[in-house]
Amino acid sequence: EAQVTQNPRYLITVTGKKLTVTCSQNMNHEYMSWYRQDPGLGLRQIYYSMNVEVTDKGDVPEGYKVSRKEKRNFPLILESPSPNQTSLYFCASSLVGVDGNEQFFGPGTRLTVL
Amino acid sequence: KQEVTQIPAALSVPEGENLVLNCSFTDSAIYNLQWFRQDPGKGLTSLLLIQSSQREQTSGRLNASLDKSSGRSTLYIAASQPGDSATYLCAVCDYKLSFGAGTTVTVRA
Repeated sequence: EAQVTQNPRYLITVTGKKLTVTCSQNMNHEYMSWYRQDPGLGLRQIYYSMNVEVTDKGDVPEGYKVSRKEKRNFPLILESPSPNQTSLYFCASSLVGVDGNEQFFGPGTRLTVL
Repeated sequence: KQEVTQIPAALSVPEGENLVLNCSFTDSAIYNLQWFRQDPGKGLTSLLLIQSSQREQTSGRLNASLDKSSGRSTLYIAASQPGDSATYLCAVCDYKLSFGAGTTVTVRA
């Protein structure tokens, strides 16, 4: 089944404890991205990747890191999480870029930073 | 900067009624517009993708129109069912994807 998977789905952590949220897609998509969704603010893009080893900042990149060493994986790294990073996170992918291409989303990761 | 607005924020209708959801955007230079459905605590499911050269797209009971010149898209859901209850998001693609805040729909049995 074609899909985007994320792990973990739920995570409660404490301030400053490094964490990684994994994202994987099995559709051979070149473009992958991370979003966060907050009440009243909607979905905002954190980082995106046009292809392997090519990443760029989205609208709200502060406090996050990403890497794209393989086409199928695009992990999101929080080196020192803070409470304002408590949010619902989504990974998405599409065949090639966003223009003209349908975006597929993962199921989401609900992160709570205490 | 692209601004995407969805009105109304919430909608409650009896089963069987047709739904009309609106999406407006400020910059008409877009590649495409995509409608998504989001169930509580779940991910986004793609419903329809309209390319900038298209006026509408249809899938089953769903029909989406696009008027780039006026910066509007409308999602029609015919003969609504309780299972249509969800939040519907539109996303506009220029050089990136910009989302509206969504319309939360409740279909009463």
